[in-house]
Amino acid sequence: EADIYQTPRYLVIGTGKKITLECSQTMGHDKMYWYQQDPGMELHLIHYSYGVNSTEKGDLSSESTVSRIRTEHFPLTLESARPSHTSQYLCASHDRNQETQYFGPGTRLLVL
Amino acid sequence: AQSVTQLGSHVSVSEGALVLLRCNYSSSVPPYLFWYVQYPNQGLQLLLKYTSAATLVKGINGFEAEFKKSETSFHLTKPSAHMSDAAEYFCAISGGYQKVTFGTGTKLQVIP
Repeated sequence: EADIYQTPRYLVIGTGKKITLECSQTMGHDKMYWYQQDPGMELHLIHYSYGVNSTEKGDLSSESTVSRIRTEHFPLTLESARPSHTSQYLCASHDRNQETQYFGPGTRLLVL
Repeated sequence: AQSVTQLGSHVSVSEGALVLLRCNYSSSVPPYLFWYVQYPNQGLQLLLKYTSAATLVKGINGFEAEFKKSETSFHLTKPSAHMSDAAEYFCAISGGYQKVTFGTGTKLQVIP
């Protein structure tokens, strides 16, 4: 079982602010993912990474950006938050030996 | 290409009754299949997975799923529903070095 941490768990912020959502995992997994999920809705892949210095956009267009400078860390940044960014953001990492994704607890973002 | 289809966005069962959540898949390669559970304000937790070993897979919390290649199905069952089973359940598929694809989710309501 992977340990994946996301901070903050909840964030309320004003329009125009820059925010960074943190995601860290301790299992040395190369692949990491960010999903956006509106309450009670399906998951949408917005970013992924196959390793250090690798980042790709996902299936759903997003104004956020990501970086992968260290294997264990995959932060997501919104340069200027807008109310349309209000959602839950889920981070996951992939254990290739078990072919399984493990998820963090999520960050619920509210932009006023 | 790969996909999963979850039949029924909402399922209601009485406490103690059989739980059956349906998932059909499409894949051009032998798939890995997963069921995840999501409780309110939480990330996704792995319930069980099929990785080409036994076709009947047992997971946590008394859930199990059977891989049926002839029917391209991977339905999730539990003999007796408990109030704590109320959550959203996601079926997912991966294989052939593709990213994991999630279904649209099924919300399970357990009626006392």
